Amino acid sequence: EDKVVQSPLSLVVHEGDTVTLNCSYEVTNFRSLLWYKQEKKAPTFLFMLTSSGIEKKSGRLSSILDKKELSSILNITATQTGDSAIYLCAVGMYSGGGADGLTFGKGTHLIIQP
Amino acid sequence: DTAVSQTPKYLVTQMGNDKSIKCEQNLGHDTMYWYKQDSKKFLKIMFSYNNKELIINETVPNRFSPKSPDKAHLNLHINSLELGDSAVYFCASSRRKRGLSGEDTQYFGPGTRLTVL
Repeated sequence: EDKVVQSPLSLVVHEGDTVTLNCSYEVTNFRSLLWYKQEKKAPTFLFMLTSSGIEKKSGRLSSILDKKELSSILNITATQTGDSAIYLCAVGMYSGGGADGLTFGKGTHLIIQP
Repeated sequence: DTAVSQTPKYLVTQMGNDKSIKCEQNLGHDTMYWYKQDSKKFLKIMFSYNNKELIINETVPNRFSPKSPDKAHLNLHINSLELGDSAVYFCASSRRKRGLSGEDTQYFGPGTRLTVL
């Protein structure tokens, strides 16, 4: 069974700290790994990582894919209270049918205290 | 401009009723999806549709039926609602094409919170 595991499940830090969120996967026919941020409503897209793009950065956020270790990390530096959210990791896979839904982990609930 | 929209945002109904949730995307995407997010925030794929064809049905009860009148719309109809159907339902879309490589990035609608009493 395809599996995506995130750790920690929850994390409380102070504003200004740096955090690292982890995601590991065991899936057949890996294609891509995606990170989403979910506040009160819909998940919003952060990064997509594939074999041809294993490192992405946007402002204070960055992510790396380790295909050998079947894992990814999401780093947030100089955290702000607005970074408080659930961070979701998801994996896309190849399939014979061609179109797949993403398989999500259970998320990391990040709380940034002022 | 709203990329993926869903209606209604909230739906409260009695057990046994039949209800529908509508979804529309104006991104020109080829594939649309329905996800269910439970009370523990776990997001799980229910269906995906590509060019009006159902691609995935992840062991979802047959009380749930997706209906796609055209590429921009994917509605979810639920018969004989049960207490366990209470959840937030998200619609999403992507450029993923059947049999071809395409972006996996999915864009989500705002969600519909369904409460079954």
